Amino acid sequence: QKEVEQNSGPLSVPEGAIASLNCTYSDRGSQSFFWYRQYSGKSPELIMFIYSNGDKEDGRFTAQLNKASQYVSLLIRDSQPSDSATYLCAVLAYKLSFGAGTTVTVRA
Amino acid sequence: DTGVSQDPRHKITKRGQNVTFRCDPISEHNRLYWYRQTLGQGPEFLTYFQNEAQLEKSRLLSDRFSAERPKGSFSTLEIQRTEQGDSAMYLCASRSTGPTNTEAFFGQGTRLTVV
Repeated sequence: QKEVEQNSGPLSVPEGAIASLNCTYSDRGSQSFFWYRQYSGKSPELIMFIYSNGDKEDGRFTAQLNKASQYVSLLIRDSQPSDSATYLCAVLAYKLSFGAGTTVTVRA
Repeated sequence: DTGVSQDPRHKITKRGQNVTFRCDPISEHNRLYWYRQTLGQGPEFLTYFQNEAQLEKSRLLSDRFSAERPKGSFSTLEIQRTEQGDSAMYLCASRSTGPTNTEAFFGQGTRLTVV
């Protein structure tokens, strides 16, 4: 079983729609959860982090965490073409582990 | 510049040669991570340091790979006798384990091409 799994992409959404990204993790001792955005050929850029169960909103981004289900998600509201990128879920236990990423394309 | 810095940004080497990459973390960060990323994949954990101590090394890492962080500041990653399969982006990240800052920030990466 992979430590971090993300829903397979690519995900294509029209401009202005909501993009929904999902992630599950295997280590129940995981403490912190992150979403990174990565443009092609660039390094990952942190966009959201969440430590407690529930929702956390930051602008057009909302992260949701459910530790009992070992599930974390990211919603992107009012998607823009500039949101087109690969989104990486990362989970921190004693080390930081990444999923394979979900590629999002926002159609103008 | 207070971000994570990696050098070089690009490296092309012939198969069988040794290469060394450098990472300068954010100055107050005590944890430093090395990852490898190939096209279409997420970053793959290689190793990490708490100050100068190397706490874990991935079992996927062969003996040709070695990393150091001699003074708990910058780190180097060396690959000996490079193979074409080593071609990838090598990413360094740092973070603080203090109670108010656990996010990891990445450098720009070193793209290695083995020909």
